[in-house]
Amino acid sequence: DTGVSQDPRHKITKRGQNVTFRCDPISEHNRLYWYRQTLGQGPEFLTYFQNEAQLEKSRLLSDRFSAERPKGSFSTLEIQRTEQGDSAMYLCASSLGLNSPLHFGNGTRLTVT
Amino acid sequence: DQQVKQNSPSLSVQEGRISILNCDYTNSMFDYFLWYKKYPAEGPTFLISISSIKDKNEDGRFTVFLNKSAKHLSLHIVPSQPGDSAVYFCAASESGANSKLTFGKGITLSVRP
Repeated sequence: DTGVSQDPRHKITKRGQNVTFRCDPISEHNRLYWYRQTLGQGPEFLTYFQNEAQLEKSRLLSDRFSAERPKGSFSTLEIQRTEQGDSAMYLCASSLGLNSPLHFGNGTRLTVT
Repeated sequence: DQQVKQNSPSLSVQEGRISILNCDYTNSMFDYFLWYKKYPAEGPTFLISISSIKDKNEDGRFTVFLNKSAKHLSLHIVPSQPGDSAVYFCAASESGANSKLTFGKGITLSVRP
C-alpha cells in the first residue's frame, strides 16, 4: 500500500518537551496538509504546502509549531515546549492537485502529560 | 464559529434501509463539498464529493444532494450495510476539492444487522 504514511503512530511526552512528527505523502502528490483532531471534533486545518512552499498557516498554529517540507517530499511538524492542550490526533494528508480529494494518513496521536 | 454543522451526533439504521446524513453550512463562499468516512484508529477516507454547480452526485450506493439556497447537503446510503458503520464527516472548501477543508464534527452511523 502506498498511502500516506505517518510516524510515529503514538507519542507520549511530558509537558515542556519538544516533539517532531513525520509524514510521507503519496508519491507525486504535490500538496501536503496538516490537520489536528481532538475528541468529538472534526479535523481542523493547520497548514499546507505546495511542493516545498508553505502556502497557508492557520491561526491555530502558534509560534511553538513549525512545519517543513524540504525538497517537496516528506514533511515534519515540530511542536516546541508542549502543553497539555496540544494533546490531539495530528493528521497528514496529500493530494495531486487538479481538484483531486485529500488522502489522509492514519495520524499521530500525541499525549502530553 | 462552526461553519460546517452536523447537528445529529449519531444515527442508527437497519441493514438494507436508507441512511440519510445531514450537513449544514454557513459560509456562502464554499463551492465544493465532500464526505469522508472514518473507522477507529484510521484516518478519514474520501467517499464522495459535489461541486456547487451541481445539485446531485451519485456513486454506487452513495448519493450526495446539495441545496445551495438552504445551505444544506445530505448523504444518502442505499442500501445500508453493517460495514458502513463509521463516523462520517462533512467537509467544505472555498476553492475545489484539494484546498483547505473545513470539517463538521461528524456523525456516527451504526447499521444494525
